[in-house]
Amino acid sequence: AQSVTQLGSHVSVSEGALVLLRCNYSSSVPPYLFWYVQYPNQGLQLLLKYTTGATLVKGINGFEAEFKKSETSFHLTKPSAHMSDAAEYFCAVIPFSGGYNKLIFGAGTRLAVHP
Amino acid sequence: EAGVAQSPRYKIIEKRQSVAFWCNPISGHATLYWYQQILGQGPKLLIQFQNNGVVDDSQLPKDRFSAERLKGVDSTLKIQPAKLEDSAVYLCASSLNSIGGQRWGNEQFFGPGTRLTVL
Repeated sequence: AQSVTQLGSHVSVSEGALVLLRCNYSSSVPPYLFWYVQYPNQGLQLLLKYTTGATLVKGINGFEAEFKKSETSFHLTKPSAHMSDAAEYFCAVIPFSGGYNKLIFGAGTRLAVHP
Repeated sequence: EAGVAQSPRYKIIEKRQSVAFWCNPISGHATLYWYQQILGQGPKLLIQFQNNGVVDDSQLPKDRFSAERLKGVDSTLKIQPAKLEDSAVYLCASSLNSIGGQRWGNEQFFGPGTRLTVL
């Protein structure tokens, strides 16, 4: 079965530092890939997604992610962290079997940004 | 444009009681999803509707959970009887059925969720 692994349940960075959140998926056929952000007591908001085409995807709030098929990875980055980026981030995939548009999520990474 | 609405936002019940959650998707969205998010985990799909038909309910504990979307618009998720392990946030999401014939990858828009605590 398709699975998503997010390395590091908690990541802490200084304001202005690089943000790197890691995501790997298990599939021989590349699925569609997503990153969602969840602020406290709110629903999930889509940051970016990869379906086809350019492997470097830009999203909202200055985030971007790169799909690397050889590494089965879709890591999320932001050059300079802001205090408002503190939230929980979820990587998710939509596989091409077992129903359509079914999101399978990783366990999440909580990002803390300190001054 | 109004987002996905859910109510109540919080609910506390005792085990073996019943509870119901309501969701109103974005207008025009044919597909509706219910997810369960247990603390420390990512959301897990419980059931997916397309209009008023069930597309996927493979992970719904059918002995205690039920869901309906009678008129293809709003939806209700019920738990009866509740167990301690049902404590979680229940998220509702909706999406367009397809865009340009493409049925995968359509953005799912999430509501704020209902936080259920079972004592």
